Amino acid sequence: QQQVKQSPQSLIVQKGGISIINCAYENTAFDYFPWYQQFPGKGPALLIAIRPDVSEKKEGRFTISFNKSAKQFSLHIMDSQPGDSATYFCAASMSNTDKLIFGTGTRLQVFP
Amino acid sequence: KAGVTQTPRYLIKTRGQQVTLSCSPISGHRSVSWYQQTPGQGLQFLFEYFSETQRNKGNFPGRFSGRQFSNSRSEMNVSTLELGDSALYLCASSSTRRTYEQYFGPGTRLTVT
Repeated sequence: QQQVKQSPQSLIVQKGGISIINCAYENTAFDYFPWYQQFPGKGPALLIAIRPDVSEKKEGRFTISFNKSAKQFSLHIMDSQPGDSATYFCAASMSNTDKLIFGTGTRLQVFP
Repeated sequence: KAGVTQTPRYLIKTRGQQVTLSCSPISGHRSVSWYQQTPGQGLQFLFEYFSETQRNKGNFPGRFSGRQFSNSRSEMNVSTLELGDSALYLCASSSTRRTYEQYFGPGTRLTVT
């Protein structure tokens, strides 16, 4: 019940396309859902995050869609660029802790 | 503002030895969490510290321990190293508990031989 399931494991997208990564959770006590971007040799960088009282959040080319009833959330990267090539992790946490439960990661490759 | 810093960046140890890793949070941040990242297990939570107190602990053996100092800097220690402890150890900080935004350092790459 503590797991966050992430798919796909890898994703290849052409430059200018839309990248979509999906995550699902079981524990309804989760109340914060961030996405992190990680480049090789670097630590994860906070990209965008959402709370369950909002169904969508957009920051630039990055959008989180959140479906509370389905217990699913997804990251959409519009106009994907080669510089977006990285590993993306979804995560979740509960109100009484900073502990993040991470998904397994999606390796995104954007080809010119 | 400087980000989260971790030292050392790379470390090679032998089985049975112990190791101490250090984390300096972003200035003004009081909450520090540690994570282990491996190809097989992904990102797993180790501990969470706030105001020098361990608030939460992940599912790791007692060989893994940590502490936080009054200046919010944190250290983690792994005793009796095993080959499976080879991993990237990441530290994250946030300004207070439940501000939600956690910022990660570059990690310490530990290799156990």
